Amino acid sequence: EIVLTQSPATLSLSPGEGATLSCRASQSISDYLAWYQQKPGQAPRLLIYDASNRATGVAARFSGSGSGTAFTLTIAYLESEDFAVYYCQQRSDWPYTFGQGTKVEIK
Amino acid sequence: QLQESGPGLMKPADTLSLTCTVSGGSMNNYYWSWIRQSPGKGLEWIGSGTKYSSSLKSRVTIYVDTSKNQLSLDLTSVTAADTAIYYCARHYSGRGYFDYWGQGILVTVS
Repeated sequence: EIVLTQSPATLSLSPGEGATLSCRASQSISDYLAWYQQKPGQAPRLLIYDASNRATGVAARFSGSGSGTAFTLTIAYLESEDFAVYYCQQRSDWPYTFGQGTKVEIK
Repeated sequence: QLQESGPGLMKPADTLSLTCTVSGGSMNNYYWSWIRQSPGKGLEWIGSGTKYSSSLKSRVTIYVDTSKNQLSLDLTSVTAADTAIYYCARHYSGRGYFDYWGQGILVTVS
């Protein structure tokens, strides 16, 4: 099964700062990667699909890039509502797998 | 909307049965998955249709009843390791990403 490794585990930043989250796959997954945001007590929310496409209603400050085994989620500047846990997920092969998450916390 | 239902508390070795009721639209023309999250941990995809997680495939069955607009999950021989929030989710545009999620149901095995 494809293993997704996210880094860093925790990112401590201030509102207004930019954030860069990494996701690496154990084998090539082309661009079959999504990013989700999860806040406490809520279900995850789809942000990015196919590595770089924003889902409906997602703010333009969120962008995704990468292909093959290395992917990045960039938040151009952090708003208060962006402090959450972010997961990557691949659909290249069964079983679908998620990364372990990156927590973006307020510094 | 997606709404999970089922028991909140299970005994070890029992079979967990969960239902996800879809409202506001038809289940036809979409794929559906079950996903779980252990307390304080990450997300684990359980399965969709006849495709299942490697670690769970010997114990899990997923089925859809489009006449009732319901997705169901059976997980046999549960242990404390199966304690988690269980989510049902819709696949986005036929792809293996999840755009609509239920609120989740916490199942405790004890």
